[in-house]
Order: sequence, then C-alpha cells, then structure tokens
Amino acid sequence: DTAVSQTPKYLVTQMGNDKSIKCEQNLGHDTMYWYKQDSKKFLKIMFSYNNKELIINETVPNRFSPKSPDKAHLNLHINSLELGDSAVYFCASSMAGGNLETQYFGPGTRLLVL
Amino acid sequence: SQQGEEDPQALSIQEGENATMNCSYKTSINNLQWYRQNSGRGLVHLILIRSNEREKHSGRLRVTLDTSKKSSSLLITASRAADTASYFCATRSGGSNYKLTFGKGTLLTVNP
Repeated sequence: DTAVSQTPKYLVTQMGNDKSIKCEQNLGHDTMYWYKQDSKKFLKIMFSYNNKELIINETVPNRFSPKSPDKAHLNLHINSLELGDSAVYFCASSMAGGNLETQYFGPGTRLLVL
Repeated sequence: SQQGEEDPQALSIQEGENATMNCSYKTSINNLQWYRQNSGRGLVHLILIRSNEREKHSGRLRVTLDTSKKSSSLLITASRAADTASYFCATRSGGSNYKLTFGKGTLLTVNP
C-alpha cells in the first residue's frame, strides 16, 4: 500500500498553461505539505495544511494555489506556468502535535515547463 | 535564510568504510532529523534526535547533536553500495510545529 501518492509522476507542459498535481495519503495524518526541489536538490517548503486549514505559505507566488478537500488530500494547482517552475514537487504528510513528528514523502512529480 | 547546511556536499567512499556527514544550523531547534533520498525518489526519514539528546543510534546509523555548536553529524558504519543516496538534515524550530527546514544535502556514493 502506498502511504503518500502523487499524480502525475511526470508533467511536461508549455509556458502559460495551467496544471494540477494531486496528493493523497492513507496514513491517517492530519498535516500535509508541498515542497519544491530545484535542480540543485534544494528542498523548500511551499505550503502546509493542518486539518484542511492553511498554516504555512512560504511566500509562494499567487499562481500556486493549494486545495485540501479533506485531511487525506492536498492538491496543488499552478496557473500560468513559467520556466522557473520546472522542478520536482513533493507532497508529504505528518501527524502534528508534538516534537516527535516525522514527515512521510510521496515519490514526487517532475514538472518540466517548456 | 538556509537553516541546515550539510558538509561535505559530496562524499565518495568504498564499501565497508564509514561515512560521516555534518549539518550546521543557525537558530535554536526542537529536534533535528536526517532523511535519505535515493535518486529519483522521495525522501525517507532515517532518524530524529531531540534538542535535549546528544547521541542516538539506529542500526548502522549514529547521530550526534551539539546544540552549543548548532551542529549534528550522521555516521553510517560499514557502508554498502545500497547506501548511495543524498542525505539531508532537517530542523524543526520552536514555535513552528509544522515546518521542517532542510539543508542542501550530502551526496554519498558508496563504491562496490
């Protein structure tokens, strides 16, 4: 059973297009995250949701809009894609409420904007 | 600003040798975690050490934490080719229960 899954795994698209990435976790966690990993492997948090409520928004452009329909899902919609959006996007989940939480990552979505 | 900085950026060793990676951070933390990322995959949690702990072991992994120096080290003993991966430290700071800040990672190559 896949703990954190993302779709699609690969996404190749033209500049200016709008695209969505979906994430689902079956771990019963209450917190989900989106990270962006650039070509130098630097991993930076973008958003975090706890119980469907946005709690972290790390100065991400408005073109990025996360949506959490329920605790098990966190989707990422990107409008007007730019070349600089090319990266690997990782979804992760954890159980909030303590110092001992660790994060479980999905396999990543490789986005290439042409 | 970058919280965790791993050192070295890349490390190449022979199978059976030990590998040591270091991580430095800037602000006070609640805990520090190490993750592994195999090529083309997501990150996998390896070990967590709390700010009031100094050393922790898990199998062939040994993590130390020196809060006075704001640094941590990850030691992998008796390395195997399957240990080839990127290793990241991540810190969780006080008052920020939901946010992990990752370093840039150390690429470890274990040659058979």
